Amino acid sequence: GQQVMQIPQYQHVQEGEDFTTYCNSSTTLSNIQWYKQRPGGHPVFLIQLVKSGEVKKQKRLTFQFGEAKKNSSLHITATQTTDVGTYFCAGRDSNYQLIWGAGTKLIIKP
Amino acid sequence: ETGVTQTPRHLVMGMTNKKSLKCEQHLGHNAMYWYKQSAKKPLELMFVYSLEERVENNSVPSRFSPECPNSSHLFLHLHTLQPEDSALYLCASSQDRSGGRNEQFFGPGTRLTVL
Repeated sequence: GQQVMQIPQYQHVQEGEDFTTYCNSSTTLSNIQWYKQRPGGHPVFLIQLVKSGEVKKQKRLTFQFGEAKKNSSLHITATQTTDVGTYFCAGRDSNYQLIWGAGTKLIIKP
Repeated sequence: ETGVTQTPRHLVMGMTNKKSLKCEQHLGHNAMYWYKQSAKKPLELMFVYSLEERVENNSVPSRFSPECPNSSHLFLHLHTLQPEDSALYLCASSQDRSGGRNEQFFGPGTRLTVL
């Protein structure tokens, strides 16, 4: 079946370093959404990308949607402790199903 | 955030018990979802309701039985569960199932432990 692969599973960074997570779909997506789940919390919507090659920014977060609408990335510049959590991508296929990635857990090294 | 509420927040049950999880959304949305979240696994979509009709059932065992009496309420009835069913059960809603922005709003979840 359709899959959205998300890597890496975990990323350990020092506070102030950058963080990136990548999602790749086996098929073309109509759009892709990104969510953040804080430890002990529930997923919270961050953004949706719809257009081929789209780039959107939210403060230190940069979201990209690939030209072929099969891949996406989330980049955080100069991580802070408030960024800790698991970041999920979710791609919408042609049948309106939302296919979730496994998530990337961002861990800030003490 | 009180847009989507879930009760109970924690539940411990034996394999022979019957229990129900409740979800309520106060956002006027037309679509509601049940997800299972286990450690080290992606979010697993269990059921989707759109305008109170079940539109997706992703091969979920019959020991899980959903009910959507109206567009604001969603239940998950549990019967003779297995220990591997222990997980966080998340409810979500969205304006519609398809089209538009359609981000999903999640409740806080019910942490279920099956003994």
